[in-house]
Amino acid sequence: DTGVSQNPRHKITKRGQNVTFRCDPISEHNRLYWYRQTLGQGPEFLTYFQNEAQLEKSRLLSDRFSAERPKGSFSTLEIQRTEQGDSAMYLCASSPTSLAHTGAEAFFGQGTRLTVV
Amino acid sequence: AQSVTQLDSQVPVFEEAPVELRCNYSSSVSVYLFWYVQYPNQGLQLLLKYLSGSTLVKGINGFEAEFNKSQTSFHLRKPSVHISDTAEYFCAVTPPGGGNKLTFGTGTQLKVEL
Repeated sequence: DTGVSQNPRHKITKRGQNVTFRCDPISEHNRLYWYRQTLGQGPEFLTYFQNEAQLEKSRLLSDRFSAERPKGSFSTLEIQRTEQGDSAMYLCASSPTSLAHTGAEAFFGQGTRLTVV
Repeated sequence: AQSVTQLDSQVPVFEEAPVELRCNYSSSVSVYLFWYVQYPNQGLQLLLKYLSGSTLVKGINGFEAEFNKSQTSFHLRKPSVHISDTAEYFCAVTPPGGGNKLTFGTGTQLKVEL
């Protein structure tokens, strides 16, 4: 399978605990994105990386959230001191750097569903 | 900044009937337009995209969409739906060169009934 892979698929955690999600993008894709999707809503942009550089962060990304992409390969998204409002599906996507190559298509993983109890 | 409006949160339709899912966008610059489909507990899959050229674009699974610049719309259509088309459909935009950051609508749940 050469698609975007996310782990775990589901995570249940108690309020106040820290959680970390992992995303493995398509191997030749330089850009990696994190989105959050709550029930009944479309995905909302959180942050994106070009190689290992984090180029943009949404205002949705509070200081309890941190994302990394060491060596420009896989990425992790950590949420510290989780709150019930963090319950959502966290989606990762990747795309090639060159817009001319694919016309800006992003390929999505299946997501990690977080439930904070 | 861009925004996307999908006015219909749910669209019920009988199998083999035609369907149209509406999408309107707002942007001060030109945009690329996309339709994604999301099956239950799955990620998003690209159905089709409009970058430039012909305003009628064809995608996978028999779907097509028409870009209308004057009405800032990008409605999705299928002439005959199947039960397997039951899913959530999202319209999205991104400005060319905008880092591929997608702005999504709130989605339309298509429910195909026998």
